[in-house]
Amino acid sequence: EPEVTQTPSHQVTQMGQEVILRCVPISNHLYFYWYRQILGQKVEFLVSFYNNEISEKSEIFDDQFSVERPDGSNFTLKIRSTKLEDSAMYFCASSKSRGLAGTTYEQYFGPGTRLTVT
Amino acid sequence: LAKTTQPISMDSYEGQEVNITCSHNNIATNDYITWYQQFPSQGPRFIIQGYKTKVTNEVASLFIPADRKSSTLSLPRVSLSDTAVYYCLVAGSARQLTFGSGTQLTVLP
Repeated sequence: EPEVTQTPSHQVTQMGQEVILRCVPISNHLYFYWYRQILGQKVEFLVSFYNNEISEKSEIFDDQFSVERPDGSNFTLKIRSTKLEDSAMYFCASSKSRGLAGTTYEQYFGPGTRLTVT
Repeated sequence: LAKTTQPISMDSYEGQEVNITCSHNNIATNDYITWYQQFPSQGPRFIIQGYKTKVTNEVASLFIPADRKSSTLSLPRVSLSDTAVYYCLVAGSARQLTFGSGTQLTVLP
């Protein structure tokens, strides 16, 4: 069964450093997403991406964050200058454009990258 | 965005049917109801979605009454591996899932 993959599984960085989290979505999916989950808290939406541009973003996704699809397979999340509060599990997800019967809410999540900012 | 309320936790025993109810009193006309499952240190996994009445797949059933102000996820004959957090989502947008706190289901031997 196809799956979303993410690298690295764990990233440790110092405050103020830039990090790039990488994801390979499922190959025939057209929508891509980033979510994050701070330890013990809810899964929070960051951004959705379609047709090489951001389609929706949350208040969390400020100027420190950016996303890119540099080639036909990778989807990246960059945090320019990390803060302690950016420590979280970051999940990439992807979905098809529509389900057979209309809108599908089925997003396929990757295993996550645990980001630790020290 | 419709607010959802579901129990914080539930316990069950192996082999039992588990029903998790979610209330969403201010659901909008175009909102779908979706359920996700999350194991520790893993990403959420889609279980089922529905708009009204009953939906069944190989994993679960979703019951939605006519007023759509609540929904019930039914897991038949749970096993230890079904221990997870279960999220009820009510979303008008399929592109921005909003997760609540979920229900921690613990299946006991």
